[in-house]
Amino acid sequence: EPEVTQTPSHQVTQMGQEVILRCVPISNHLYFYWYRQILGQKVEFLVSFYNNEISEKSEIFDDQFSVERPDGSNFTLKIRSTKLEDSAMYFCASSLYRAHNEKLFFGSGTQLSVL
Amino acid sequence: GENVEQHPSTLSVQEGDSAVIKCTYSDSASNYFPWYKQELGKGPQLIIDIRSNVGEKKDQRIAVTLNKTAKHFSLHITETQPEDSAVYFCAAQEANNLFFGTGTRLTVIP
Repeated sequence: EPEVTQTPSHQVTQMGQEVILRCVPISNHLYFYWYRQILGQKVEFLVSFYNNEISEKSEIFDDQFSVERPDGSNFTLKIRSTKLEDSAMYFCASSLYRAHNEKLFFGSGTQLSVL
Repeated sequence: GENVEQHPSTLSVQEGDSAVIKCTYSDSASNYFPWYKQELGKGPQLIIDIRSNVGEKKDQRIAVTLNKTAKHFSLHITETQPEDSAVYFCAAQEANNLFFGTGTRLTVIP
């Protein structure tokens, strides 16, 4: 079965540094998402992306965050200047159609630790 | 926005017994309710979903029920097996976004 792949699986960074989390969505999917899960808390929606632009974003997705689809296969999440509270598991997901009534496929996540 | 509550946070059952996980949601406009299973080191995987026009759906040992009036939905796993051990998340869809519960860590004791 096709799958969403994420790299790296773990990322440790110093506060204030920039990080880029990478994802390769399923090849024929059109909608891409980032979610995050702080330890012990809910999985939270960050942003959705379609047709090379952001479709929707949550309050969490502030100016420190950006997403990009630099080529036909990768989908990246950049955090410009990391804060301690950015430490979380970040999940990429993709779907063929919009999330509305459509199955999301999640990657295995990137555990980001900000020191 | 939508608020999803999930209980219990941990659940241990003997192999062969049933497990039930319950969720409530706040937005009556939500109309899609998936359940995800997350095994160690993996991302959440969809195991079953239900839409608001049905009250129950079953897939082998897994079933989900939905009560729209009360705004709650439940996951039922019968004849549990050790490989059912994982974290389970419920979710509710409002507009085009999914809102997740906090997860239930299910342990099936052989």
